[in-house]
Amino acid sequence: QEQLQESGPGLVKPSETLSLTCTVSGGSISGYSWNWIRQPPGKGLEWIGYIYYSGRTKYKPSLTSRITMSVDTSKNQFSLRLSSVTAADTAVYYCARKTGNPYYFDSWGQGTLVTVSS
Amino acid sequence: DIQMTQSPSSLSASVGDRVTITCRASQSISTYLNWYQQKPGKAPKVLLYAASTLQSGVPSRFSASGSGTDFTLTINSLQPEDFATYYCQQSSNTPLTFGQGTRLEIE
Repeated sequence: QEQLQESGPGLVKPSETLSLTCTVSGGSISGYSWNWIRQPPGKGLEWIGYIYYSGRTKYKPSLTSRITMSVDTSKNQFSLRLSSVTAADTAVYYCARKTGNPYYFDSWGQGTLVTVSS
Repeated sequence: DIQMTQSPSSLSASVGDRVTITCRASQSISTYLNWYQQKPGKAPKVLLYAASTLQSGVPSRFSASGSGTDFTLTINSLQPEDFATYYCQQSSNTPLTFGQGTRLEIE
């Protein structure tokens, strides 16, 4: 059974860059799209974007100017960088695998809370 | 963006009850609709995908239907472990979007 695990700082200062990595174990990163989804405390789920194993990306338009995603197939990892963060970016960040058609998120990491505060 | 609207936002029910949650898309999404269950402090878990297909390992008391813009999730004979928050999610167009969630509470 494939497992996903997020890692990265739990506290980021305003205006700085949030950086997270998702490590995929028990399976290959090839052949799927790899997604980031976040959930502010007490609120709903927001899709941020995805990256294919090939490196092709698709981001949420409202976040495009601040997002960079990358993939390292040799390490079975993919990463998120979100620049110029504010308190509104405080959330639990999940990495998740999306299947091919039909498209749904079938594997999720446990999530990591990132707080933006000085 | 495709807006997903769930109703109700919260729901109280008892063990053994049958409950229905609805999800409406702001435009047609065919059957590109998925349902997730989330318990406090945990990641969401897919229950059904492609509007009505039960994910492997999910109990058969969960069912769903719909196409186009209107969808429903039904839980028959509620069990204690079913009290959670449920989200619909469309995978027709990017940006992928979720409903606001329906919190199912014990009455």
